[in-house]
Amino acid sequence: GAGVSQTPSNKVTEKGKYVELRCDPISGHTALYWYRQSLGQGPEFLIYFQGTGAADDSGLPNDRFFAVRPEGSVSTLKIQRTERGDSAVYLCASSFRGGSTDTQYFGPGTRLTVL
Amino acid sequence: RKEVEQDPGPFNVPEGATVAFNCTYSNSASQSFFWYRQDCRKEPKLLMSVYSSGNEDGRFTAQLNRASQYISLLIRDSKLSDSATYLCVVLGNQGGKLIFGQGTELSVKP
Repeated sequence: GAGVSQTPSNKVTEKGKYVELRCDPISGHTALYWYRQSLGQGPEFLIYFQGTGAADDSGLPNDRFFAVRPEGSVSTLKIQRTERGDSAVYLCASSFRGGSTDTQYFGPGTRLTVL
Repeated sequence: RKEVEQDPGPFNVPEGATVAFNCTYSNSASQSFFWYRQDCRKEPKLLMSVYSSGNEDGRFTAQLNRASQYISLLIRDSKLSDSATYLCVVLGNQGGKLIFGQGTELSVKP
């Protein structure tokens, strides 16, 4: 079946602009995760949804970052007033139920470049 | 100190070599551990889970030492296709988030 999909695959924006990144999880997966990966580093956790609610948003770096999952399926990561330091690959993952027993399946990521 | 630490490498080895990667984690309460593989400009994919008793999957062997808070991955008879970055991963205490190490780059040469 289809895996996790993310759009756009690449996004170039200017400092100060607003961006939205979209994630379509695997059908039937209730848990959805956002991570970001800077060059030469491992992915860094941002936020975890269980259904429509954010179960853990401790990784969001500041209030410029916000994510929603209104119907418990597709999620959007929103970044306001982008900064050059926000440039990274934003990865989305989903799992069937969440928790330690479920494998997280990653999408191909959105490469964000802030000029 | 980072929660999960790995030697970033790169490890350059010939085909057929045995190579070992090590990883340490800081939270002694951690319960679940994994190795993920990431090819260049691709997403991470689960390679294997790591169990206290140690586990093997073909040419890959993972070991966990809880007392030392140390995880290892051994690859025997390296193939060219094993070239990738190997990420040591610990499940966060709140059950959802994965905590990744920096990754260790492996390059297998003919």
